[in-house]
Parts: sequence; C-alpha cells; structure tokens
Amino acid sequence: GESVGLHLPTLSVQEGDNSIINCAYSNSASDYFIWYKQESGKGPQFIIDIRSNMDKRQGQRVTVLLNKTVKHLSLQIAATQPGDSAVYFCALQDSWGKLQFGAGTQVVVTP
Amino acid sequence: ETGVTQTPRHLVMGMTNKKSLKCEQHLGHNAMYWYKQSAKKPLELMFVYSLEERVENNSVPSRFSPECPNSSHLFLHLHTLQPEDSALYLCASSQDWPNTGELFFGEGSRLTVL
Repeated sequence: GESVGLHLPTLSVQEGDNSIINCAYSNSASDYFIWYKQESGKGPQFIIDIRSNMDKRQGQRVTVLLNKTVKHLSLQIAATQPGDSAVYFCALQDSWGKLQFGAGTQVVVTP
Repeated sequence: ETGVTQTPRHLVMGMTNKKSLKCEQHLGHNAMYWYKQSAKKPLELMFVYSLEERVENNSVPSRFSPECPNSSHLFLHLHTLQPEDSALYLCASSQDWPNTGELFFGEGSRLTVL
C-alpha cells in the first residue's frame, strides 16, 4: 500500500539558518510530488512541486530534491525567517492519479 | 478574492444538531474535495466530486452527507455527529480528476462537537 512519511514531527531552526524537511515514500510509480505549507489557522498552501523526470527544482528561497532511488523527497528553505514557521506537508500523486499526504513536520523558527 | 472560500470558519454544534459547511471555488476547476484534518494525522480524504458527480467516498460515516449542486459549490451536511468528529474540515479543488496535480485549499472550517 501507499505510505508517505516525514522523518521528524518537529524541526526547530534558528532564524537565518537553512531548514531541511524530509519525506519518504513507498510507491515507485509516483510521478508528481508537492510540498505544502500550512500556517496556524489557515489551509495548506502550495510551495513547490517536482515531477519524477527531475532531481531538483528551485523556487524563491526553496529547493526541492527528489531521489527516486531511495524514494526520498526533501524541501530546503534558505535563510529561514519567522514567517516560515508552519507545518510542511509532502504529497505525492499515486499510480491512480490521487494525491497522498504525509502527516506534516512542524517547523519552529527561533530568534 | 481567494480561490477557494469556506464558511463558516468556526462551528460549534451539539450531537443532535444539523448544520452544513459550504465551499465555493472561483478557479473554474472541475473537481472538488472534502478533507478531514485531525491533530498530528495526515489529511484524510472524505469525498471527491468531479463534474458534479461523486467519484470517491472513503468509507465516511453516513452522518456526513456531501452535496455538489454545481461545479463551483460543495456542501458537507452534518447530522448527529460525535465528539471525535471535531476537526478542521478542508475543502479543495483541482483542475481535473484524477491526475489532479496541485490541489487548491480553502482556509478550513473548524468544527467542535460537544
């Protein structure tokens, strides 16, 4: 069956440092991956996505890395800011075209 | 104007009440979803509507009843809920179903069942 997991429930990061959030998946047929950010009291918001024909994709201060060999996805946030405090979800599109979500990692940015 | 709008944002109801959650999407998408979000658990897919037809019902108890009158509106009717149904209920939309690509979420309706 499908499983989407995150390695840490909470990540504490000092302001200005880089953050790395990891996600493991089990379905090698997954071809599309998304990272979402959910701030307190709000719905999930799209951050960045990547397709399986790519290993890396960069956005504004964020980079997503995909390692299909070990079925691992990561989100890197450069120069973490207080506004980056949120829960981050990975999601993958399974072989039926449906999105499966991980449980989320709480990122706490400390001054 | 946000792409997906949910009302009410907060709802408190007793176990014998009947209430409804409303969702409206302004994105011209063909698919709409209801998700349940409980603390420290992954998003749980409840229902999916594609072109106003229900295409997914993930073993949701009958006390939750969805309705999709058109491609822009989605309701979740609530009746005789249990305290364990307290959660954040998220509505989402996507351009297509399946091969959804990105889902666009609303801000959620925080439900408390007393």
